[in-house]
Amino acid sequence: DAGVIQSPRHEVTEMGQEVTLRCKPISGHNSLFWYRQTMMRGLELLIYFNNNVPIDDSGMPEDRFSAKMPNASFSTLKIQPSEPRDSAVYFCASRGQAHYGYTFGSGTRLTVV
Amino acid sequence: KNEVEQSPQNLTAQEGEFITINCSYSVGISALHWLQQHPGGGIVSLFMLSSGKKKHGRLIATINIQEKHSSLHITASHPRDSAVYICAVIRAGNQFYFGTGTSLTVIP
Repeated sequence: DAGVIQSPRHEVTEMGQEVTLRCKPISGHNSLFWYRQTMMRGLELLIYFNNNVPIDDSGMPEDRFSAKMPNASFSTLKIQPSEPRDSAVYFCASRGQAHYGYTFGSGTRLTVV
Repeated sequence: KNEVEQSPQNLTAQEGEFITINCSYSVGISALHWLQQHPGGGIVSLFMLSSGKKKHGRLIATINIQEKHSSLHITASHPRDSAVYICAVIRAGNQFYFGTGTSLTVIP
């Protein structure tokens, strides 16, 4: 298995532009998580899905952020419009049965200038 | 106030030493995770536990629910163990809280 695949690995964009981050979870995993990591705030959970359904999006910072999981093998995190304070590393992780740990993707490093 | 406190924040050890990283939390939890983040940025889930002890290779994780405390031990430490170790707790209702991490450097 190739693990959790995130794309792009790096993204540099101008303030105000739309940014879409992508994640392919491990086949068979039924939970998917989006995290953000910054120096100031560390790791934060943004949203997670169970069986493609968003369960808790209370970590999504504001309406500029949205996440979708149209099927079991794909999820997107969209920021529109992007702002410099959105600069961070965004991780996607998936999990199979509830008692197992997570598998993390390599992350997307986003820089908004 | 942080719901999850880790100690120490930074730790330097000689190769071969026994290492302990501590995590204390202030909320009721359903599970606790230990994560490892390598210098390159990748994150690995080491353990998820809700009671007792788990062991994987040279790593051991323990949790005491009554005392709201968990420890991660590394036996016979090696330079490749150098990483940031993050404690994360999950409450009922799936609220996540993360510690700020312990940066470990193992010197040959």
